Amino acid sequence: QVNLLQSGAALVKPGASVKLSCKASGYTFTDYYIHWVKQSHGKSLEWIGYINPNSGYTNYNEKFKSKATLTVDKSTNTAYMELSRLTSEDSATYYCTRRLNYYSAPFDYWGQGVMVTVSS
Amino acid sequence: DTVLTQSPALAVSPGERVSISCRASEGVNSYMHWYQQKPGQQPKLLIYKASNLASGVPARFSGSGSGTDFTLTIDPVEADDTATYFCQQSWNDPYTFGAGTKLELK
Repeated sequence: QVNLLQSGAALVKPGASVKLSCKASGYTFTDYYIHWVKQSHGKSLEWIGYINPNSGYTNYNEKFKSKATLTVDKSTNTAYMELSRLTSEDSATYYCTRRLNYYSAPFDYWGQGVMVTVSS
Repeated sequence: DTVLTQSPALAVSPGERVSISCRASEGVNSYMHWYQQKPGQQPKLLIYKASNLASGVPARFSGSGSGTDFTLTIDPVEADDTATYFCQQSWNDPYTFGAGTKLELK
């Protein structure tokens, strides 16, 4: 069965960086793009960007271009998102999700989410 | 960015029919999807490409619409349907989500 297993919650200091992981299993990792989505507490969802696990090609929401960096390790079927120069505005739950690369494709499986808290 | 507007909250009784609307600020063809999110859980796909039921989702859920106006219908509503429902478009970059409609049961 498809599973996207995310790393545990993180407490980080303002100005620091954090790297989140998302380990995929139950399907061919390179067949689906991995996307990342932010959900601030009690609020809606924001699309951060995606990575093509096969080529490493990335596409970011303009809003997150200077905040997030997406990478993959095909050898371990794991995707990563590094968030830099963290502020309180980055405190949120972050989800990884997968999607086929065509217009009509939805986000069909989601990781369980990881809560990032930025606090001194 | 394409803004998706949803009504903030609805309250219905079990057994009733409920329709949740999502209006896009610009056309998204039929590339609208619906997700259910319960407290403390990740979103779950319900409907894709406006009207297609995702695998394992009860037939009580249905979707309709195209262009800028879309609807998610639950008929009949059950107690387990208490959740927040989000629409999401995949036609325009960046992909965007509605603010969510919180469904409560009376």
